[in-house]
Amino acid sequence: EVQLVESGGGLVQPGGSLRLSCAVSGFTFSNFGMNWVRQAPGKGLEWVSYIGSSSSSTYYADSVKGRFTISRDNAKNSLYLQMNSLRDEDTSVYYCARRNSGWHELDYWGQGTLVTVSS
Amino acid sequence: DIQMTQSLSSLSAYVGDRVTITCRASQTISSYLNWYQKKPGKAPKLLIYAASSLQGGVPSRFSGSGSGTDFTLTISSLQPEDFATYYCQQSYSTPYTFGQGTKLEIK
Repeated sequence: EVQLVESGGGLVQPGGSLRLSCAVSGFTFSNFGMNWVRQAPGKGLEWVSYIGSSSSSTYYADSVKGRFTISRDNAKNSLYLQMNSLRDEDTSVYYCARRNSGWHELDYWGQGTLVTVSS
Repeated sequence: DIQMTQSLSSLSAYVGDRVTITCRASQTISSYLNWYQKKPGKAPKLLIYAASSLQGGVPSRFSGSGSGTDFTLTISSLQPEDFATYYCQQSYSTPYTFGQGTKLEIK
Protein backbone atom coordinates (compact mmCIF):
# COMPACT_ATOMS: atom_id res chain seq x y z
CA GLU A 1 0.00 0.00 0.00
CA VAL A 2 1.33 3.40 -0.98
CA GLN A 3 1.67 5.77 1.97
CA LEU A 4 2.95 9.33 2.25
CA VAL A 5 3.11 10.83 5.72
CA GLU A 6 4.03 14.48 6.27
CA SER A 7 5.40 15.87 9.50
CA GLY A 8 7.13 18.97 10.80
CA GLY A 9 4.32 21.50 10.65
CA GLY A 10 3.55 23.88 13.46
CA LEU A 11 3.40 27.49 14.59
CA VAL A 12 6.27 29.75 13.58
CA GLN A 13 6.81 33.50 13.74
CA PRO A 14 7.14 35.60 10.58
CA GLY A 15 10.71 35.46 9.36
CA GLY A 16 11.25 32.08 10.95
CA SER A 17 12.11 28.70 9.46
CA LEU A 18 10.57 25.25 9.40
CA ARG A 19 11.48 21.95 7.76
CA LEU A 20 8.76 19.64 6.55
CA SER A 21 9.31 15.94 5.96
CA CYS A 22 7.38 13.36 3.95
CA ALA A 23 8.04 9.70 4.70
CA VAL A 24 7.13 7.39 1.86
CA SER A 25 6.43 3.66 1.66
CA GLY A 26 4.78 1.17 -0.66
CA PHE A 27 6.64 2.09 -3.86
CA THR A 28 10.19 2.54 -5.13
CA PHE A 29 10.72 6.14 -4.05
CA SER A 30 13.85 6.64 -6.16
CA ASN A 31 11.87 6.07 -9.37
CA PHE A 32 9.47 8.99 -8.97
CA GLY A 33 9.53 12.76 -8.97
CA MET A 34 7.85 14.37 -5.97
CA ASN A 35 5.95 17.57 -5.28
CA TRP A 36 4.79 19.84 -2.51
CA VAL A 37 1.33 21.41 -2.84
CA ARG A 38 -0.33 23.70 -0.32
CA GLN A 39 -3.76 25.03 0.53
CA ALA A 40 -4.22 28.18 2.55
CA PRO A 41 -7.33 28.43 4.77
CA GLY A 42 -10.39 28.98 2.60
CA LYS A 43 -8.30 29.05 -0.59
CA GLY A 44 -7.55 26.72 -3.46
CA LEU A 45 -4.71 24.35 -4.14
CA GLU A 46 -1.34 25.88 -4.98
CA TRP A 47 1.58 23.92 -6.42
CA VAL A 48 4.76 24.77 -4.51
CA SER A 49 7.72 22.73 -5.73
CA TYR A 50 8.94 19.67 -7.65
CA ILE A 51 12.06 17.53 -7.41
CA GLY A 52 13.16 14.88 -9.89
CA SER A 53 13.81 11.30 -8.91
CA SER A 54 17.58 11.78 -8.63
CA SER A 55 17.41 15.38 -7.35
CA SER A 56 18.90 16.60 -10.62
CA SER A 57 16.01 18.95 -11.30
CA THR A 58 14.07 21.20 -8.97
CA TYR A 59 11.36 23.78 -9.66
CA TYR A 60 9.55 26.30 -7.51
CA ALA A 61 6.52 28.53 -7.61
CA ASP A 62 7.47 32.19 -7.86
CA SER A 63 5.80 32.78 -4.49
CA VAL A 64 8.42 30.64 -2.69
CA LYS A 65 11.46 30.87 -4.94
CA GLY A 66 14.56 31.86 -3.01
CA ARG A 67 12.94 31.07 0.35
CA PHE A 68 12.01 27.38 0.11
CA THR A 69 14.28 24.46 -0.81
CA ILE A 70 13.04 21.02 -1.80
CA SER A 71 15.27 17.99 -1.29
CA ARG A 72 15.08 14.23 -0.93
CA ASP A 73 17.00 11.30 0.53
CA ASN A 74 16.31 8.21 -1.55
CA ALA A 75 18.10 6.00 0.97
CA LYS A 76 15.64 7.11 3.64
CA ASN A 77 12.57 7.23 1.35
CA SER A 78 12.02 10.79 2.44
CA LEU A 79 11.15 14.14 0.89
CA TYR A 80 11.81 17.48 2.53
CA LEU A 81 10.84 21.13 2.26
CA GLN A 82 13.05 23.65 4.02
CA MET A 83 11.08 26.85 4.46
CA ASN A 84 12.93 30.04 5.40
CA SER A 85 11.87 33.67 5.74
CA LEU A 86 8.30 32.55 6.36
CA ARG A 87 5.47 35.01 5.81
CA ASP A 88 1.89 35.17 7.01
CA GLU A 89 0.75 34.15 3.54
CA ASP A 90 2.67 30.87 3.79
CA THR A 91 0.11 29.67 6.36
CA SER A 92 -1.33 26.55 4.73
CA VAL A 93 -1.76 22.83 4.89
CA TYR A 94 1.22 21.39 3.01
CA TYR A 95 0.82 18.14 1.09
CA CYS A 96 3.49 15.96 -0.48
CA ALA A 97 2.42 14.19 -3.66
CA ARG A 98 3.95 11.67 -6.04
CA ARG A 99 4.24 12.60 -9.71
CA ASN A 100 3.50 9.71 -12.01
CA SER A 101 5.93 9.27 -14.87
CA GLY A 102 3.45 9.18 -17.75
CA TRP A 103 1.30 12.29 -17.79
CA HIS A 104 2.84 13.80 -14.64
CA GLU A 105 -0.36 13.57 -12.69
CA LEU A 106 -0.15 13.69 -8.90
CA ASP A 107 -1.49 10.25 -8.14
CA TYR A 108 -0.75 9.75 -4.44
CA TRP A 109 -0.95 12.35 -1.70
CA GLY A 110 -0.17 12.56 1.98
CA GLN A 111 -2.72 13.71 4.56
CA GLY A 112 -1.05 17.11 4.95
CA THR A 113 0.66 19.04 7.71
CA LEU A 114 -0.44 22.48 8.90
CA VAL A 115 2.00 25.37 8.95
CA THR A 116 0.84 28.50 10.74
CA VAL A 117 2.92 31.66 10.43
CA SER A 118 1.87 34.15 13.05
CA SER A 119 3.30 36.39 15.73
CA ASP B 1 3.27 30.47 -16.73
CA ILE B 2 0.12 28.65 -17.84
CA GLN B 3 -3.07 29.97 -16.25
CA MET B 4 -5.93 27.59 -15.57
CA THR B 5 -9.44 29.03 -15.39
CA GLN B 6 -12.53 27.25 -14.08
CA SER B 7 -15.49 29.33 -15.19
CA LEU B 8 -17.66 28.57 -12.16
CA SER B 9 -16.48 28.95 -8.59
CA SER B 10 -19.59 27.17 -7.32
CA LEU B 11 -22.40 25.06 -8.67
CA SER B 12 -25.60 23.75 -7.06
CA ALA B 13 -27.18 20.50 -8.15
CA TYR B 14 -29.47 17.69 -7.00
CA VAL B 15 -28.54 14.12 -6.29
CA GLY B 16 -28.96 12.27 -9.57
CA ASP B 17 -28.19 15.28 -11.77
CA ARG B 18 -25.65 15.25 -14.59
CA VAL B 19 -23.04 17.93 -13.96
CA THR B 20 -20.29 19.37 -16.14
CA ILE B 21 -17.38 21.45 -14.84
CA THR B 22 -15.22 23.31 -17.33
CA CYS B 23 -11.56 24.33 -17.31
CA ARG B 24 -9.58 26.42 -19.78
CA ALA B 25 -5.82 26.71 -20.17
CA SER B 26 -4.18 29.97 -21.25
CA GLN B 27 -2.14 28.05 -23.85
CA THR B 28 -2.24 24.62 -25.36
CA ILE B 29 -1.36 21.82 -22.96
CA SER B 30 -2.15 18.84 -25.22
CA SER B 31 -3.86 16.35 -22.87
CA TYR B 32 -1.76 17.15 -19.79
CA LEU B 33 -4.85 17.93 -17.76
CA ASN B 34 -5.86 16.33 -14.48
CA TRP B 35 -8.92 16.58 -12.25
CA TYR B 36 -8.89 16.28 -8.46
CA GLN B 37 -11.62 16.09 -5.84
CA LYS B 38 -11.01 17.87 -2.53
CA LYS B 39 -13.07 17.47 0.61
CA PRO B 40 -12.45 19.47 3.81
CA GLY B 41 -9.80 17.90 5.99
CA LYS B 42 -8.92 15.30 3.38
CA ALA B 43 -6.10 15.00 0.86
CA PRO B 44 -6.88 15.79 -2.76
CA LYS B 45 -7.90 12.73 -4.74
CA LEU B 46 -6.95 12.18 -8.37
CA LEU B 47 -10.02 11.41 -10.47
CA ILE B 48 -8.97 11.89 -14.10
CA TYR B 49 -5.54 12.16 -15.68
CA ALA B 50 -4.44 12.81 -19.26
CA ALA B 51 -7.74 14.67 -19.77
CA SER B 52 -9.88 11.56 -20.10
CA SER B 53 -8.27 8.58 -18.32
CA LEU B 54 -10.07 7.38 -15.21
CA GLN B 55 -7.81 6.81 -12.23
CA GLY B 56 -8.06 3.31 -10.75
CA GLY B 57 -10.80 2.91 -8.17
CA VAL B 58 -12.72 6.02 -9.28
CA PRO B 59 -16.40 5.38 -10.12
CA SER B 60 -17.28 5.31 -13.79
CA ARG B 61 -19.82 8.11 -13.36
CA PHE B 62 -16.80 10.44 -13.56
CA SER B 63 -15.46 11.21 -17.02
CA GLY B 64 -13.24 13.79 -18.63
CA SER B 65 -12.83 15.19 -22.12
CA GLY B 66 -10.98 17.82 -24.09
CA SER B 67 -7.55 18.61 -25.43
CA GLY B 68 -5.54 21.67 -26.26
CA THR B 69 -7.03 24.43 -24.12
CA ASP B 70 -10.60 23.41 -23.24
CA PHE B 71 -11.53 20.59 -20.90
CA THR B 72 -14.55 19.26 -19.06
CA LEU B 73 -15.23 17.00 -16.10
CA THR B 74 -18.62 15.30 -16.15
CA ILE B 75 -20.38 13.48 -13.34
CA SER B 76 -23.17 11.48 -14.93
CA SER B 77 -25.40 11.01 -11.88
CA LEU B 78 -24.46 12.89 -8.74
CA GLN B 79 -24.19 10.90 -5.55
CA PRO B 80 -24.22 12.40 -2.04
CA GLU B 81 -20.50 11.70 -1.62
CA ASP B 82 -19.67 13.74 -4.75
CA PHE B 83 -20.38 17.08 -3.11
CA ALA B 84 -16.89 18.54 -2.86
CA THR B 85 -14.58 21.00 -4.58
CA TYR B 86 -13.11 20.03 -7.93
CA TYR B 87 -9.82 21.32 -9.30
CA CYS B 88 -8.25 21.03 -12.71
CA GLN B 89 -4.46 21.08 -12.96
CA GLN B 90 -2.07 21.22 -15.89
CA SER B 91 0.97 18.96 -15.78
CA TYR B 92 2.38 20.12 -19.13
CA SER B 93 5.05 22.36 -17.63
CA THR B 94 6.11 23.80 -14.31
CA PRO B 95 4.67 25.58 -12.44
CA TYR B 96 1.99 22.88 -12.39
CA THR B 97 -0.87 25.33 -11.97
CA PHE B 98 -4.32 24.53 -10.61
CA GLY B 99 -7.62 26.12 -11.48
CA GLN B 100 -9.28 28.09 -8.69
CA GLY B 101 -11.71 25.25 -7.96
CA THR B 102 -15.43 24.63 -8.44
CA LYS B 103 -17.40 23.91 -5.29
CA LEU B 104 -20.25 21.51 -5.95
CA GLU B 105 -23.07 22.05 -3.47
CA ILE B 106 -26.32 20.27 -2.78
CA LYS B 107 -29.43 22.05 -4.05
